[in-house]
Amino acid sequence: DVKVTQSSRYLVKRTGEKVFLECVQDMDHENMFWYRQDPGLGLRLIYFSYDVKMKEKGDIPEGYSVSREKKERFSLILESASTNQTSMYLCASSRTSGRGSRYNEQFFGPGTRLTVL
Amino acid sequence: GEDVEQSLFLSVREGDSSVINCTYTDSSSTYLYWYKQEPGAGLQLLTYIFSNMDMKQDQRLTVLLNKKDKHLSLCIADTQTGDSAIYFCAERTYNTDKLIFGTGTRLQVFP
Repeated sequence: DVKVTQSSRYLVKRTGEKVFLECVQDMDHENMFWYRQDPGLGLRLIYFSYDVKMKEKGDIPEGYSVSREKKERFSLILESASTNQTSMYLCASSRTSGRGSRYNEQFFGPGTRLTVL
Repeated sequence: GEDVEQSLFLSVREGDSSVINCTYTDSSSTYLYWYKQEPGAGLQLLTYIFSNMDMKQDQRLTVLLNKKDKHLSLCIADTQTGDSAIYFCAERTYNTDKLIFGTGTRLQVFP
């Protein structure tokens, strides 16, 4: 059974703290994604990685960084958490469309609900 | 830039049909997707359609694509309480693995 796991379901942090959100996939996928989900705004892409050590900014990268040292693991880092980063964070993975099926499904983790006080 | 829009809420009676609508702006979209998010869970792919198709049927689900109007619909026949969830449409444009997601439609099914 294919799986994307996220390190925490719920996280509470204080303003100014450094926050790490971890994501692991067991499908040997090339692509990994971090999104944030907010009511009325849908899913917005924060960062995308298409290979180890490779990353690309999404639509809302400000205040975030990422790390991909191993193919199966993609970390989202909030260098100095702020209250406007309170949100649901979703990780996803997929094959590169050239290697996988043409419709190229993204598989999602269960999400981490982050609250910054 | 690309934009994908959906209405935020839909409420239907159990047994009725549901129609969830989506509009997108990028005419170079190749694949269009419907994802379902149940409470407390991540998203799961429900179905997809390639941009050169008009319709796709999969059991209780029918996807309709009007490419001229850039309008996508998800029709659920005989809607059940277990269909209550948030439904996201998403588009993928040529030569990218990234998806653009809509705002999501919360479907509530009442007895």
